[in-house]
Amino acid sequence: GENVEQHPSTLSVQEGDSAVIKCTYSDSASNYFPWYKQELGKRPQLIIDIRSNVGEKKDQRIAVTLNKTAKHFSLHITETQPEDSAVYFCAAREKTSGSRLTFGEGTQLTVNP
Amino acid sequence: DAGVTQSPTHLIKTRGQHVTLRCSPISGHKSVSWYQQVLGQGPQFIFQYYEKEERGRGNFPDRFSARQFPNYSSELNVNALLLGDSALYLCASSHDRVSYNEQFFGPGTRLTVL
Repeated sequence: GENVEQHPSTLSVQEGDSAVIKCTYSDSASNYFPWYKQELGKRPQLIIDIRSNVGEKKDQRIAVTLNKTAKHFSLHITETQPEDSAVYFCAAREKTSGSRLTFGEGTQLTVNP
Repeated sequence: DAGVTQSPTHLIKTRGQHVTLRCSPISGHKSVSWYQQVLGQGPQFIFQYYEKEERGRGNFPDRFSARQFPNYSSELNVNALLLGDSALYLCASSHDRVSYNEQFFGPGTRLTVL
């Protein structure tokens, strides 16, 4: 089955700096890679996703890049703000597994004012 | 339009008891998936149901079971509770079972087993 590794487990940045979170996956059949933000005590919320036929996707201050050959994908947040502080999870979905998502272990991002 | 709803929000049980958790998907969504999120970890896939049939099962013991009803709502049942079953149980719905459709998560049920 799929295995997703996520680094770093914690990340602290100053407001206005950029933050990068990296994930690797094991199954080359995976074709969908969402990123979720989870604030304390709340549900995971999708912030951006990318399909395997695309190398990069951007939405305002958030971007995701995918390298299928190396089987890794990254989340980039620019101009970070204190409200970006949360736990971020990457996930991967195997093409034939329906809705099943395999999640990374999460990254606690802290943006210091 | 209402999002995914789950009930109850919190639950306290003792070891050996049984629990039933409920989920109502977004209107029009036919696929429901269940995840277990232990504190400090990422969600772990338990089940997916689509059109009332089980379409996927994660690496969980047979104490865990689920079903989906004609209105696409779903129940997750856990028998013979163990302390290690304490977790946030998340339900997610999507329109269908196509692999790249976005999943929307419910607020979760926080289960504590004493």
